[in-house]
Amino acid sequence: ETGVTQSPTHLIKTRGQQVTLRCSSQSGHNTVSWYQQALGQGPQFIFQYYREEENGRGNFPPRFSGLQFPNYSSELNVNALELDDSALYLCASSSHREGYNEQFFGPGTRLTVL
Amino acid sequence: GENVEQHPSTLSVQEGDSAVIKCTYSDSASNYFPWYKQELGKRPQLIIDIRSNVGEKKDQRIAVTLNKTAKHFSLHITETQPEDSAVYFCAASPDRGSTLGRLYFGRGTQLTVWP
Repeated sequence: ETGVTQSPTHLIKTRGQQVTLRCSSQSGHNTVSWYQQALGQGPQFIFQYYREEENGRGNFPPRFSGLQFPNYSSELNVNALELDDSALYLCASSSHREGYNEQFFGPGTRLTVL
Repeated sequence: GENVEQHPSTLSVQEGDSAVIKCTYSDSASNYFPWYKQELGKRPQLIIDIRSNVGEKKDQRIAVTLNKTAKHFSLHITETQPEDSAVYFCAASPDRGSTLGRLYFGRGTQLTVWP
């Protein structure tokens, strides 16, 4: 098992609500990436945080936002939830260093939007 | 952006046989290629990776090959066991530059090993 943790494990929300998901990175890692994994699909890159700033974003709208804290933990916020936001949300921690980008995943948060 | 294609989507083998999963990628800037195993309801687990300066890498029953010219890479599992049953994902990523650390995944291969 990796040292990456996520909370909560499961979450049920209704359309239009807002949600915050949390991730603690593995010791020694300074970068957190967030991924959305729809059922039966591969994870899709949402964005990455390094030094408390967003360091690149995938093809996701602005209602997906995040934060990184000085201890390298991170939050993913999703506003105005839509049914299609139902998915497993994974965070992955890594060390932002050229030639070294192994990423280790947390257990994920299963979000259901009704 | 990067586009990773993975085949087959499902693969069934008898215990002891070999399994091969193939992936192609589109962005020549990608130079890091990890493979993840995801069991039902669990996190993706990194099982092996390869960088573009290496053509092949092996770890016990698992090996990965990379053809950078053709932009394809493959996972080989020998002497398969029932506990190898899972979904396997390939991914591609640059390991330097502004897009360092972004993983682009294939759609996954459901491997089933029958005893």
